[in-house]
Amino acid sequence: DGGITQSPKYLFRKEGQNVTLSCEQNLNHDAMYWYRQDPGQGLRLIYYSQIVNDFQKGDIAEGYSVSREKKESFPLTVTSAQKNPTAFYLCASSRDSLYGYTFGSGTRLTVV
Amino acid sequence: GENVEQHPSTLSVQEGDSAVIKCTYSDSASNYFPWYKQELGKRPQLIIDIRSNVGEKKDQRIAVTLNKTAKHFSLHITETQPEDSAVYFCAARINTGTASKLTFGTGTRLQVTL
Repeated sequence: DGGITQSPKYLFRKEGQNVTLSCEQNLNHDAMYWYRQDPGQGLRLIYYSQIVNDFQKGDIAEGYSVSREKKESFPLTVTSAQKNPTAFYLCASSRDSLYGYTFGSGTRLTVV
Repeated sequence: GENVEQHPSTLSVQEGDSAVIKCTYSDSASNYFPWYKQELGKRPQLIIDIRSNVGEKKDQRIAVTLNKTAKHFSLHITETQPEDSAVYFCAARINTGTASKLTFGTGTRLQVTL
C-alpha cells in the first residue's frame, strides 16, 4: 500500500485495555508521524519522530505512547489513560523536511 | 505553534464549475504548503504543493496560489467533475531546529453535482 502499511484496519478495544497500532514503511524515510482524525475535524498530531530512537510529543499526546527502535517501524500504543480513543488513526512518513507526507491506509479504533 | 484555518467547511458546485478553497496560516516561518484529497474511508493523497519561494503552481485542472504577505493560500479546481468530490485538507509546514511537521486545516467537503 504505497510503501507504508498500517495494521490492523479495524480494532476494537475494551475499557481499560491498552492497544498497539502498527505502522511500517519501506520507503527509507527518516521521519514518521501519527495523526488522529475525528469526524468533521482535521488531522491532529499525536507524536512524531525525525530519527531512530528519538520522538516528540505532538498536540494531543496525552494517553498515547510510541517507540522508534527501527527506521521502518513506529508503533502507537493507545493506553487506558486515553479517555476518548474512538477515532481514525493515520500514520505518515516523510523523506525529509522538504517533502510532504505519504500516509498509510489508517486504523479505525473503536471502544466497546 | 502554527495554526491553519480553512474555509469553507462545505462546498457544493455544479459539474464544470470552478471550486476555490482558502486557507490562512499564522506562522510566517512556514515554508511548505501541501494540499491533500481524502475520499471516504481512505487515506489522504497529496494532490499539489507549493513552497514559499513560489507564488503560483498549476497541474492540469488544479492550481494553488500563495500570498506570503497576507499568509494565505488557496486551491483552485477548474472544470470540476464528480470524481473531484472528496474532503480536501490544506497544511502548512514549519521547520524549527529538529522539528518539522505539518499542521492541517479542518478540511473542506467538496460535492460536485451533476
